[in-house]
Amino acid sequence: DTEVTQTPKHLVMGMTNKKSLKCEQHMGHRAMYWYKQKAKKPPELMFVYSYEKLSINESVPSRFSPECPNSSLLNLHLHALQPEDSALYLCASSQGPGLREMYTEAFFGQGTRLTVV
Amino acid sequence: AQTVTQSQPEMSVQEAETVTLSCTYDTSESDYYLFWYKQPPSRQMILVIRQEAYKQQNATENRFSVNFQKAAKSFSLKISDSQLGDAAMYFCAYTTTGNQFYFGTGTSLTVIP
Repeated sequence: DTEVTQTPKHLVMGMTNKKSLKCEQHMGHRAMYWYKQKAKKPPELMFVYSYEKLSINESVPSRFSPECPNSSLLNLHLHALQPEDSALYLCASSQGPGLREMYTEAFFGQGTRLTVV
Repeated sequence: AQTVTQSQPEMSVQEAETVTLSCTYDTSESDYYLFWYKQPPSRQMILVIRQEAYKQQNATENRFSVNFQKAAKSFSLKISDSQLGDAAMYFCAYTTTGNQFYFGTGTSLTVIP
């Protein structure tokens, strides 16, 4: 199984709503990521979890709250978002830090297309 | 600082022809991995090919091959016998630690029938 599964695929939410994005992988990867991507732009890193601990937070506003309940699951909780937060949110996973020989590519999910109205 | 540069925002190629996408990167590390990802309109990022910096031999995957010039910090992607399904955004990416990936700005490839 080399899949990263994201749900939902599309989400429309109001600025006062609370919603969550979910991501799941069963490849035994120990690093999981959230990226935000605007149209025709590269993914922008938001958060990295390594061995279920938050290791990188790229100065993301607190209205985005990540959670890693276990090594296979990653959530992104959304609250009081702004219209400019509308984007494609990508989850990814990789082997994680460690021995050089363990470095591999990041596997990406299909993303959640988020629209904030 | 780690940076990845793709100097071609858009490229086009005739079906069945060959096209080369450019990527340069800047790093002080000696050990790292380089990747090319494809992102079609369906939006999932798909790995096309990867290259370990400690390997001299250029990676090849079917119609896709790279020209890795470590001293020049250059990593170009060659697509041979281009197909309509190759049309997508292509991102060059890089990691040193396996815990953070740096992406270039992307090249939009159009395949002309």
